[in-house]
Amino acid sequence: AQSVTQPDIHITVSEGASLELRCNYSYGATPYLFWYVQSPGQGLQLLLKYFSGDTLVQGIKGFEAEFKRSQSSFNLRKPSVHWSDAAEYFCAVRIQGAQKLVFGQGTRLTINP
Amino acid sequence: GAGVSQSPRYKVTKRGQDVTLRCDPISSHATLYWYQQALGQGPEFLTYFNYEAQPDKSGLPSDRFSAERPEGSISTLTIQRTEQRDSAMYRCASSLGSQETQYFGPGTRLLVL
Repeated sequence: AQSVTQPDIHITVSEGASLELRCNYSYGATPYLFWYVQSPGQGLQLLLKYFSGDTLVQGIKGFEAEFKRSQSSFNLRKPSVHWSDAAEYFCAVRIQGAQKLVFGQGTRLTINP
Repeated sequence: GAGVSQSPRYKVTKRGQDVTLRCDPISSHATLYWYQQALGQGPEFLTYFNYEAQPDKSGLPSDRFSAERPEGSISTLTIQRTEQRDSAMYRCASSLGSQETQYFGPGTRLLVL
């Protein structure tokens, strides 16, 4: 079945530490890939997206993600997290030609001072 | 408008009552989506519109759920005879076209008592 998996429900890192949030998908072809962030009281904000081309994608707020076809993964990274990065992060995919986004269950990020 | 807006932001209702949620998309956006997000889960697709046309209703969980966008701009999502399992965050998104990036509103949190 087609699905998006975020294996980590909750991650805690110290401020200034590096971060990697995992995302795996199960689709027959390479879908379009997205990372969204949800801060309390806010809507989902797009961090970055991958459609084609360079497999390392730069986004807003210092985030980047790398598409690895062989692993069906699209992991989100940041070299040094800030307290303001505490939020819930969602990986999403869209099949080419389809309209709907399919989301993972999300990873909640907590930052220790 | 500058972004997607939704109203009300919070709605508490009693089981069996009807509720209507509103979404005002970004003014230039042709496509509008509705998603349902249960607590601790990622958003799940309900339906979408291209202008006033509604090509896909496949995600609506039952015939108690309906949506409309009569003039191709503002959309409403109506839930009739609400049940406790309808309690969720309802998110609206819009995009320039059906293959473009989706921008999300802040959501309406619905609680059915």
